[in-house]
Amino acid sequence: EAAVTQSPRSKVAVTGGKVTLSCHQTNNHDYMYWYRQDTGHGLRLIHYSYVADSTEKGDIPDGYKASRPSQENFSLILELASLSQTAVYFCASSYRERGTEVFFGKGTRLTVV
Amino acid sequence: AQSVDQPDAHVTLYEGASLELRCSYSYSAAPYLFWYVQYPGQSLQFLLKYITGDAVVKGTKGFEAEFRKSNSSFNLKKSPAHWSDSAKYFCALEGYQGGSAKLIFGEGTKLTVSS
Repeated sequence: EAAVTQSPRSKVAVTGGKVTLSCHQTNNHDYMYWYRQDTGHGLRLIHYSYVADSTEKGDIPDGYKASRPSQENFSLILELASLSQTAVYFCASSYRERGTEVFFGKGTRLTVV
Repeated sequence: AQSVDQPDAHVTLYEGASLELRCSYSYSAAPYLFWYVQYPGQSLQFLLKYITGDAVVKGTKGFEAEFRKSNSSFNLKKSPAHWSDSAKYFCALEGYQGGSAKLIFGEGTKLTVSS
């Protein structure tokens, strides 16, 4: 069974503080993604990576940085957290080939106060 | 433009009825389409996908979906529905941008099946 593990599972951060969300996959997948889900809405892509040491901007990258130090690990960094970044964040991974299933982590609920 | 539309934010039906969740897409090339399900408090799980071939694809949990190129739709179906099918369902399109594939999600349809 493919596994994507996120930490922490929930976090309360103060406005202006730095937040790091971590993701680890044991699937040997090339691609990793960070999505954001706001209450009642779909998922929006923040950053993604198709190889270690390289990241790409998704649809809503402003206010976020990403880091992929190895194939297994992918972090999302909020340098200056803002109230508008309160959301649930999902990490995911997939193989390189098109049309393959994307596997999601359990999500991190981030509340910025 | 690459986009997915799920026009029904909420669908409610009784157990035993047939369910059909609507999804339409916009994509200039041959689409790769997916359905994912999210149970309350949980992450997204893959249900099924259409890549090519037969217009009707079968997935897990008794679901199937029909791809219709004529009206750019990929509706999810199941009969009969069970109370355990209550969840949020997301249709997704695999778009291609800058040499990389990425999933584009619709807003989702929250399905409530009453027993």
